Amino acid sequence: AQSVTQLDSQVPVFEEAPVELRCNYSSSVSVYLFWYVQYPNQGLQLLLKYLSGSTLVKGINGFEAEFNKSQTSFHLRKPSVHISDTAEYFCAVRRPNDYKLSFGAGTTVTVRA
Amino acid sequence: EPEVTQTPSHQVTQMGQEVILRCVPISNHLYFYWYRQILGQKVEFLVSFYNNEISEKSEIFDDQFSVERPDGSNFTLKIRSTKLEDSAMYFCASTQLGASGTDTQYFGPGTRLTVL
Repeated sequence: AQSVTQLDSQVPVFEEAPVELRCNYSSSVSVYLFWYVQYPNQGLQLLLKYLSGSTLVKGINGFEAEFNKSQTSFHLRKPSVHISDTAEYFCAVRRPNDYKLSFGAGTTVTVRA
Repeated sequence: EPEVTQTPSHQVTQMGQEVILRCVPISNHLYFYWYRQILGQKVEFLVSFYNNEISEKSEIFDDQFSVERPDGSNFTLKIRSTKLEDSAMYFCASTQLGASGTDTQYFGPGTRLTVL
């Protein structure tokens, strides 16, 4: 079975500052990796995903993540955040040919002016 | 952009009552999913559904739960006799191709179920 650990439950950050959200996973087989965002009162929206190939993945809204196989990590970064980035962020994994996503506990990002 | 919708946004029920949570997946999607998130805990997979059959389910999805696609657009989750511990946010999701790696699960906004 696979599992996901998001190391920070809450991340306060000032507007225009960089942010990094940490995600580590464990799995006995290769997995696909995902970051989802949930804005208040909305569903989970895919930010980006890693399936294979280049370990640096770019997503929507200026986010990017880097897959590190040796450290089993998939950290999410944004060089300069906006107030509108205030949301909850979920890291998730899925085995190839499997249906279900396994999620981390989520990280709440609060951006202040 | 097409989206997954869920109704109601909030459901309050008494313990022991039956509830039905409704979802309208994206119209050309063929695979449907339910997840739940108990307050303060992780989002957990409940069940996946394809071609009018359950394709995978978790250990959480016991005999109290059932899913159905009653018509060409709705996908429902029924809890027969709710317990206090069923209180959670329930998310519906859909994909076009299922377990393919290039496919994305699109999620609805969730239904918050409160069991009193």
